[in-house]
Amino acid sequence: EVQLVQSGAEVKKPGESLKISCKGSGYNFTSNWIAWVRQMPGKGLEWMGIIYPRDSDTRYSPSFQGQVTISADKSMSTAYLQWSSLKASDTAIYYCARQNGSGISPFDPWGQGTQVTVAS
Amino acid sequence: SYELTQPLSVSVSPGQTASITCSGDKLGDKYVCWYQQKPGQSPVLVIYQDRKRPSGIPERFSGSNSGNTATLTISGTQAMDEADYYCQAWDTTTVVFGGGTKLTVL
Repeated sequence: EVQLVQSGAEVKKPGESLKISCKGSGYNFTSNWIAWVRQMPGKGLEWMGIIYPRDSDTRYSPSFQGQVTISADKSMSTAYLQWSSLKASDTAIYYCARQNGSGISPFDPWGQGTQVTVAS
Repeated sequence: SYELTQPLSVSVSPGQTASITCSGDKLGDKYVCWYQQKPGQSPVLVIYQDRKRPSGIPERFSGSNSGNTATLTISGTQAMDEADYYCQAWDTTTVVFGGGTKLTVL
């Protein structure tokens, strides 16, 4: 079974750094792009960016370029999303999702989500 | 930047047909997928490449895409279909989501 398992909920203060993870299993992790998607409280889905674990080729949404860093460790079958200085507005659920194929393929499956809360 | 527009909400009676639209400039030239998200859960793919259903998705879910509008249709809507639905397309190398539609079954 293809599965993405994300790291647990985080509570941080503004200005702190954070790295959350997404571990793939049940398939060749290096063969599929992994996307990160933000969902702010009560809001819709926002695409943040995508990474190809085989060579770490990464693309960012213009809205998130420079705000976060996406990386991957293919030896650990894990993708990461990190912030160097969190803001209260980063409070959201963050999902990772596997692109099910190449090019313009859909995202399936999705991880269970990581709740990030930033508050002083 | 490319935008996808969905109605905020759609209501349907049990057993009836629900239609949720997604509009974008020349959307018919792109492939559209649809995701279902129930409260407290992760999104689930229900339609891809405009009209294909992943394994495990009931046949009552169908999709179409033409001109500037893609449509997700749920035939014989059940109470379990109450959820938020998001359309998604690719704009060159960028992923775009619609704002989401809350489907209420009442």
